[in-house]
Amino acid sequence: EVQLVESGGDLVQPGGSLRLSCAPAGFTFKNYGMYWVRQAPGKGLEWISYITADGKTFYADSVRGRFTVSRDDVKSSLYLHMNNLRREDTAVYYCARGRASFYFDSWGQGTLVTVSS
Amino acid sequence: QSALTQPPSVSGSPGQSITISCTGTRGDIGSYNFVSWHQQHPGKAPKLIIYEVNQRASGSSVRFSGSKSGNTASLTISGLQTDDEADYYCCSYAGGSTVVFGGGTKLTVL
Repeated sequence: EVQLVESGGDLVQPGGSLRLSCAPAGFTFKNYGMYWVRQAPGKGLEWISYITADGKTFYADSVRGRFTVSRDDVKSSLYLHMNNLRREDTAVYYCARGRASFYFDSWGQGTLVTVSS
Repeated sequence: QSALTQPPSVSGSPGQSITISCTGTRGDIGSYNFVSWHQQHPGKAPKLIIYEVNQRASGSSVRFSGSKSGNTASLTISGLQTDDEADYYCCSYAGGSTVVFGGGTKLTVL
């Protein structure tokens, strides 16, 4: 069974930094592209980042230059490094497994990031 | 990276069918057959139900079906059940290895 477990969410002040992690299980991590998607309280889903199996990275305009996605295939881990956080970055952050046709077939349970002073 | 357009809410009675539309542009839905739909119950993570416009995800009910015409994709749920009450999100490939979601539609089963 495919499982994805996010961690690292926390309360952080505006301008601060945070690193989220996603731990996969039940599949060969190195063979898959991975996504980060977020959901602000009471709002819809927003794609924010994608990393291919071979490490190419892509970002939504809203986070480009502030967020960095990375992966460690040896440790089987996915990361999202978030810098210069803004109040509007407050959201539940989900990692999701990507498939070749640019869809997500498995989601984690999410981790909450709150940006507030 | 403008969001796809979905109706904020739809409703139906048990046993009825409903359709949720998802309108994009020539740059996303209109150019690619890479539309997916995700179901999200309150407080839960999203779950894939349809991919590649009309392919049912593993474990998804046959009551869910997808289609596309031009720049608009649609999700149809037949034989509505109370457990179908949830938020539904469309998602499309938008070129350049990016994807875009719709704003979401809240389905109420009366």
